[in-house]
Amino acid sequence: DAGVIQSPRHEVTEMGQEVTLRCKPISGHNSLFWYRQTMMRGLELLIYFNNNVPIDDSGMPEDRFSAKMPNASFSTLKIQPSEPRDSAVYFCASSLGSRDIQYFGAGTRLSVL
Amino acid sequence: SQKIEQNSEALNIQEGKTATLTCNYTNYSPAYLQWYRQDPGRGPVFLLLIRENEKEKRKERLKVTFDTTLKQSLFHITASQPADSATYLCALLMNYGGSQGNLIFGKGTKLSVKP
Repeated sequence: DAGVIQSPRHEVTEMGQEVTLRCKPISGHNSLFWYRQTMMRGLELLIYFNNNVPIDDSGMPEDRFSAKMPNASFSTLKIQPSEPRDSAVYFCASSLGSRDIQYFGAGTRLSVL
Repeated sequence: SQKIEQNSEALNIQEGKTATLTCNYTNYSPAYLQWYRQDPGRGPVFLLLIRENEKEKRKERLKVTFDTTLKQSLFHITASQPADSATYLCALLMNYGGSQGNLIFGKGTKLSVKP
């Protein structure tokens, strides 16, 4: 298996633009997680899905952030409009069940100018 | 408030020595604790898991201890090598509440092993 695949690896955009991050989880995994990592706050959970259903989105910063999982093999995290404070590395992870070992993608480094 | 602290932001040791990293938590009742390794530009990679009813776990040169009374986990790398240089993250899975699938991560300790 190729592992968790995220795209793009790097994204540079201007304030106010829409940003879409993509994730393909490991086949057969039922749980998918979106994290954000910054130097100041470390790795923070934004939202997680079980069987394509959002379970906990309490970590989503505000309404500018939204996440979808239309099927078991694809998820998106959208920021609209983007702001400079959204600059961070965003990770997607998947696991067999929500309490199992998580496998992380390589991340998307987002820079909002 | 709930908190996880990894005592050192950075730890520098000599090759061959044992590296010991600390993870302390407050106000949690974790079901288990995990340790991850993160290399620059990459996502965290799972290393070890230890459950609340276990005192110690080993895997090759790695050893993890878990003291639920002290609310502390220690992570040891014996006979350390320069290739062990990375950031190590501890993560807790809570044992209660609606967020039972959530891992809470510490900020990590950056380990540098000098030859």
